Amino acid sequence: DIQMTQSPPSLSASLGDKVTITCQASQNINKYIAWYQQKPGKAPRLLIRYTSTLESGTPSRFSGSGSGRDYSFSISNVESEDIASYYCLQYVNLYTFGAGTKLELK
Amino acid sequence: AVQLVESGGGLVQPKESLKISCAASGFTFSNAAMYWVRQAPGKGLEWVARIRTKPNNYATYYADSVKGRFTISRDDSKSMVYLQMDNLKTEDTAMYYCTDRLGARGYWGQGVMVTVSS
Repeated sequence: DIQMTQSPPSLSASLGDKVTITCQASQNINKYIAWYQQKPGKAPRLLIRYTSTLESGTPSRFSGSGSGRDYSFSISNVESEDIASYYCLQYVNLYTFGAGTKLELK
Repeated sequence: AVQLVESGGGLVQPKESLKISCAASGFTFSNAAMYWVRQAPGKGLEWVARIRTKPNNYATYYADSVKGRFTISRDDSKSMVYLQMDNLKTEDTAMYYCTDRLGARGYWGQGVMVTVSS
């Protein structure tokens, strides 16, 4: 089974900051990583698939990059509506979510 | 409009069974693989199970944590997907979501709560 190590578990940011979340897979996942946003009491929402492809409706301040085992997700110019939890997901071999990152306002 | 509506959750005791359902509408259900994802209170997301379509022999896949205890099934004539959960453990307590995609744009239900407690 593929494990996904996501960090940090929590982030504190000011409006306008840039934040970065990383996920490391236990093996090469060939860019098959997606990033989800989840707000309290809501189902997850897909933001990015296949490492860096923004889904329709995802603001351009969100971005993703990486290859092999190492991937990152960034939000530039954090806005208040971005306060949420974020999860990576590998989908090259079944499915594994990272443990999540809770983004809070400083 | 696409809708996924879960039902059947509740409070059960350890080692008991429960079957939850997800009713789909607004898309060609028989063409879609379906998934269950769960989230324990205050915890992260966990993929639980997947079922493929008829051309793929309704192949099923499970997370190690539920293999041998949970069974995913579907009824294309009713646009329903089910999760039969046997020998439930306290660690199965979670909100259970159904979705038609993982790793791609898809639709999610609102979730159904399953609580396993004595």
